[in-house]
Amino acid sequence: RKEVEQDPGPFNVPEGATVAFNCTYSNSASQSFFWYRQDCRKEPKLLMSVYSSGNEDGRFTAQLNRASQYISLLIRDSKLSDSATYLCAVFTGTASKLTFGTGTRLQVTL
Amino acid sequence: AAGVIQSPRHLIKEKRETATLKCYPIPRHDTVYWYQQGPGQDPQFLISFYEKMQSDKGSIPDRFSAQQFSDYHSELNMSSLELGDSALYFCASSPRGNSYEQYFGPGTRLTVT
Repeated sequence: RKEVEQDPGPFNVPEGATVAFNCTYSNSASQSFFWYRQDCRKEPKLLMSVYSSGNEDGRFTAQLNRASQYISLLIRDSKLSDSATYLCAVFTGTASKLTFGTGTRLQVTL
Repeated sequence: AAGVIQSPRHLIKEKRETATLKCYPIPRHDTVYWYQQGPGQDPQFLISFYEKMQSDKGSIPDRFSAQQFSDYHSELNMSSLELGDSALYFCASSPRGNSYEQYFGPGTRLTVT
């Protein structure tokens, strides 16, 4: 079982739709959580950090549930430009590395 | 804003050859990480350096080595290349006091033929 798991999708949604991704992690010692966006053949770009209290950045909202060990990303009013792969990443303090999920592919259509 | 710089962006090598990938972190970032991403895979951590010392090691083959220099740039040296080494190699850096947030460079696409 992978340490960080995501539904690979693809999620095909029309413009303007709301879409949510979930990600589960197995290491309860994980300390920090992130969502990255990766376009085809490009580098992962940090989208947002995820805090226990939840955080919002424009159309994007991230939530963390430590008890159930999952994080979520909600995208409201989807745009064509949101089409990408969304990777969740977990940082465990015992090792200075990010462990990524396999990513969820989002395709926003007209 | 300055980003992580990687060179070369593309590299084609033959089996059993060697390759050196370079990474220049964002200014005032003191930690560098190397990741390997195969086709359709998520990025896999290889190795990291903090203040020029190796800080953690992941699934890096013994054929690979890396170091961080006094100006904080890092090099990943790969020897006896195999077909399976074909991948995107990303370098990421994080700022002093915040190793949690990692910023990725554009990557080096290595093709081994």
